[in-house]
Amino acid sequence: GAVVSQHPSWVICKSGTSVKIECRSLDFQATTMFWYRQFPKQSLMLMATSNEGSKATYEQGVEKDKFLINHASLTLSTLTVTSAHPEDSSFYICSELRGAENEQFFGPGTRLTVL
Amino acid sequence: SQQGEEDPQALSIQEGENATMNCSYKTSINNLQWYRQNSGRGLVHLILIRSNEREKHSGRLRVTLDTSKKSSSLLITASRAADTASYFCATDKSGSRLTFGEGTQLTVNP
Repeated sequence: GAVVSQHPSWVICKSGTSVKIECRSLDFQATTMFWYRQFPKQSLMLMATSNEGSKATYEQGVEKDKFLINHASLTLSTLTVTSAHPEDSSFYICSELRGAENEQFFGPGTRLTVL
Repeated sequence: SQQGEEDPQALSIQEGENATMNCSYKTSINNLQWYRQNSGRGLVHLILIRSNEREKHSGRLRVTLDTSKKSSSLLITASRAADTASYFCATDKSGSRLTFGEGTQLTVNP
C-alpha cells in the first residue's frame, strides 16, 4: 500500500494566490523528504530537500521565497507556492527517504493549475 | 540540468514481446534506480543497482549497469498491457539527491 500521501491531489487557483501542498509519511518517521516538479511530458526536476527541524536546501534556480517548505514534524512536509502564476502550473511530487539503501518512496503527486 | 538521457523516448510493442530501455549519465554515481510512472500519477520504485553491481533481476525486470560506459539498461520480459507507463532512470551521486532521465514512454499493445 501507499507509504506517502499528498493533499490535495489537484488544485485550481487564481493567479496571485498561495497554495499549500502537504506530504505525509504514513508509516515512517521521515527525517528527509524531497520536493520535485514535473511539467507535462517532461522528467522530474528536484526543487528542494526538506529536512525535519531545519531549513530546506533548495536547488539552483529555485526561489526559496516563492516555494516555502516547512518540515515541522517527522511525518509532514509542506510546500507553499506563494503568489502563484500560470507558469507555476505543474505536477508537484514529494518523496521520502528510507531504508538501508536510501530508497525514495514517492507520493501520488499534486496537480496545480493556476488560472 | 538533467544528467540522465534515455532512449528511446517512446517504444511501442506487442504483448509478450520484450522491452528494452537505455539510460546514459555523465558523472560518477553511487547507484542508479529505475522508476515507473503511470500517466498523471506518482512514481513507483522498480529496482536499484549499486555502482559496484553489473546486473540485477527482479521478477520480469532485468537491469544492467556499465559504469565504464556510464549507461544502464532496463529489460522487461514478456510484456503485458499493464506495463504501459513511463519509465525513468535516476542517478544518485551523493546525499541521495536523485537526477532523473528524460524517460521512455512504453506502450504495450494487447
